[in-house]
Amino acid sequence: SAVISQKPSRDICQRGTSLTIQCQVDSQVTMMFWYRQQPGQSLTLIATANQGSEATYESGFVIDKFPISRPNLTFSTLTVSNMSPEDSSIYLCSVERGRGGGELFFGEGSRLTVL
Amino acid sequence: GENVEQHPSTLSVQEGDSAVIKCTYSDSASNYFPWYKQELGKRPQLIIDIRSNVGEKKDQRIAVTLNKTAKHFSLHITETQPEDSAVYFCAASRGNQGGKLIFGQGTELSVKP
Repeated sequence: SAVISQKPSRDICQRGTSLTIQCQVDSQVTMMFWYRQQPGQSLTLIATANQGSEATYESGFVIDKFPISRPNLTFSTLTVSNMSPEDSSIYLCSVERGRGGGELFFGEGSRLTVL
Repeated sequence: GENVEQHPSTLSVQEGDSAVIKCTYSDSASNYFPWYKQELGKRPQLIIDIRSNVGEKKDQRIAVTLNKTAKHFSLHITETQPEDSAVYFCAASRGNQGGKLIFGQGTELSVKP
């Protein structure tokens, strides 16, 4: 399985500020996936980070709110912009093992609390 | 849009009993169906998965069955142990895009010693 490191692991943020979450993988991967897990809820895909092209966002998520960078094949960042209490969630970076259609592995997650 | 429904939301069993969690999906093109276990405060961990060309898969005490015609799949845990207590999520791929998963709502399993 891939080793996926995320930071910060947790943070408390003030309303209106922005926070960038970093995700580092120990091997090169074509796509990295960002998921959100709201308190006590299931996981929802935010966007897919592709190296060399713009991220693709799922319905309900927009680039202005969740800008993503993918500078190389082992690293990605997700920024949560202009945060409100509704953004309090765990944000999870994930990658596939294998050439697509394979098992999805998650990082430890970044737990954000917005006051 | 695509949807995955999971039942029950909570399940309590005695140690040694079996537990069954059921999911239905809406996207006919889904071809990959993983199950994840999430312990409190930890990340989801893949425990078993099944692809659309297989009807059943087993790994020790856990098994998954898939009925493509009815668009439902189930997780079976036999001889449950207290350490099986966790939240379990089913998921279905969006078409054949394995990394793009649609998750069910989760089942909180409690195994009482």
